[in-house]
Amino acid sequence: DAGVTQSPTHLIKTRGQQVTLRCSPKSGHDTVSWYQQALGQGPQFIFQYYEEEERQRGNFPDRFSGHQFPNYSSELNVNALLLGDSALYLCASSYKLAKNIQYFGAGTRLSVL
Amino acid sequence: AQSVSQHNHHVILSEAASLELGCNYSYGGTVNLFWYVQYPGQHLQLLLKYFSGDPLVKGIKGFEAEFIKSKFSFNLRKPSVQWSDTAEYFCAVDDNQGGKLIFGQGTELSVKP
Repeated sequence: DAGVTQSPTHLIKTRGQQVTLRCSPKSGHDTVSWYQQALGQGPQFIFQYYEEEERQRGNFPDRFSGHQFPNYSSELNVNALLLGDSALYLCASSYKLAKNIQYFGAGTRLSVL
Repeated sequence: AQSVSQHNHHVILSEAASLELGCNYSYGGTVNLFWYVQYPGQHLQLLLKYFSGDPLVKGIKGFEAEFIKSKFSFNLRKPSVQWSDTAEYFCAVDDNQGGKLIFGQGTELSVKP
């Protein structure tokens, strides 16, 4: 039974570029949440998707957008990258009837130069 | 907005010592509370959770936590730590049961053999 998988594991971009991160949820899960974890900090909630719609959003600008596909996998897109977007991006999956029991992936480490 | 404070940034203990990590959230109402652990090089894993009922909850690997509503606290404890408990520990709260987890900044625990 596969857990939460994220790709790629590492990514290097330059300021102003755009990036897409991908997440496949744990088998049986239909809800995906994304978090940003800066160095030395706890994860910060970006947004949550289920039934292919954004359901909740944290305090992140519109440069951060997402998508959920019919197979429940999800993408996180960040436009116009800033140096401050450098972080570990975590995907967590859950079941819609227990959204806050979340299983995390290993994350994508994004470095913006 | 809800926030979570973890009192200790870095805790160093010898094996067999007792552990207590503090966690406070900013305001009350109905909350769900979590402790996550991140072992070196691994992804975040759920250690234990509190939804309702007995305020003393037991988790995996001998950890327990006590919810004290009057103090807005959810402290993590373990009677006797092992070297393998070396990890970063995160407290989190969900105050709308919708899966928007608010994390503390984390406590790094180092256990000396």
